[in-house]
Parts: sequence; structure tokens; C-alpha cells
Amino acid sequence: DVKVTQSSRYLVKRTGEKVFLECVQDMDHENMFWYRQDPGLGLRLIYFSYDVKMKEKGDIPEGYSVSREKKERFSLILESASTNQTSMYLCASSLSTHIRGYTFGSGTRLTVV
Amino acid sequence: DQQVKQNSPSLSVQEGRISILNCDYTNSMFDYFLWYKKYPAEGPTFLISISSIKDKNEDGRFTVFLNKSAKHLSLHIVPSQPGDSAVYFCAASAGTGNQFYFGTGTSLTVIP
Repeated sequence: DVKVTQSSRYLVKRTGEKVFLECVQDMDHENMFWYRQDPGLGLRLIYFSYDVKMKEKGDIPEGYSVSREKKERFSLILESASTNQTSMYLCASSLSTHIRGYTFGSGTRLTVV
Repeated sequence: DQQVKQNSPSLSVQEGRISILNCDYTNSMFDYFLWYKKYPAEGPTFLISISSIKDKNEDGRFTVFLNKSAKHLSLHIVPSQPGDSAVYFCAASAGTGNQFYFGTGTSLTVIP
């Protein structure tokens, strides 16, 4: 089974801090994604990557950046955390043709105080 | 603009009865659809899929129906079990190599 591992389940950070969320997948998937999940808003795509060193903006990229230096690792960076970035963050990966959709990690619950 | 919509935020059903979760989409280019199930503090997991060449796909207690003319799909769970209590997301893509767009989710509660 494909595994997508997010490094932290829960994080509490202060406003203005730089925050790194790490995601690693172990099945050589080409595609990786970062979503945030908020009540009433569902899953919203922040950034995605189709290959190493490639990145594409999703629907809500403002305040975020990403890094993909290796195929298996996709990092989400909050440049200067704000309280409106308090959310559940979900990483996902897939093959280039995602017949069975994405495989998601367990999520990181980030609270910015 | 939300291209995939789940208009019912929540649904309660008695154990053993049928659960019907609905999803509407606006983009006529969408041709591949998925349902995901999500428990609290876990990531979504794939449940069932359907492509636009079909109007029905069945997997055990789960059946997805697609009405392309109405741009509507539904997930039927029969019989519903307490373990089915979760948030269900539908997702759609234009081609199996392209980005999925997710609905806002429906929280299903199955009452024992």
C-alpha cells in the first residue's frame, strides 16, 4: 500500500513564524499535492507538483510556498504564519494517471496563535 | 467558484437503512468522479469511482450513480452501518491525468 506520511499530527505556532510542513510518499508517485480542509469549504488546493523541482499554484496559494527537491518529498512553507492559516493541512500523492485518485496523508492540524 | 458542490452539509440515517449522498458539478468537461470517506483526524480514503462512460458502479454496499445530463452524481450506501459515519467528499476531474476538484463534504451519521 502507498503510504503518505506527514511529519506532524499537531502543531502550534505563533503569528509571524515561518512554518514547514513536511510530506513524504514511498511509492514513486509523480504527483504531489497540498490541500487545506476547513469546515464548510471542503478541500482547497494550495499547491501541487508534477515532478521534481516543478510546482504549480492551486486555488489558494497566497501566503504559502512549496519545495520539491526530491521526488518523494513535498514541503509546504508558511512564510509568515497568520491566524487565518489555522487549519487541517492534507498532503496527497498520485501517479500521473490517477485512476484511483489521490492517496492522502493523515493530516497536520496547525494552530496559529 | 465551486465547480463541485455538495449541498447537504450533514445527513442522519438509521442503521440498516439507505444513505444517499448527493453531488453536483458545473464543468461539462469532468469525466471522472470519485468518492472519498474521511474519519476525524485521518486523511480521506478512496471509496469508489465512476467514469463518464458508465452511469452506475457498484462495490459491495456502495453504489455510485452518474447522471451526465443533470451533472449530478450520488452515492448510495445499503445497508448503512454505524462505521459508515464519516465525512464523504465527491471529487471530479477532466481526464484521469488532471487535477481533482473536491466538494465541501457531507457528514453522515448512522444511528444505531
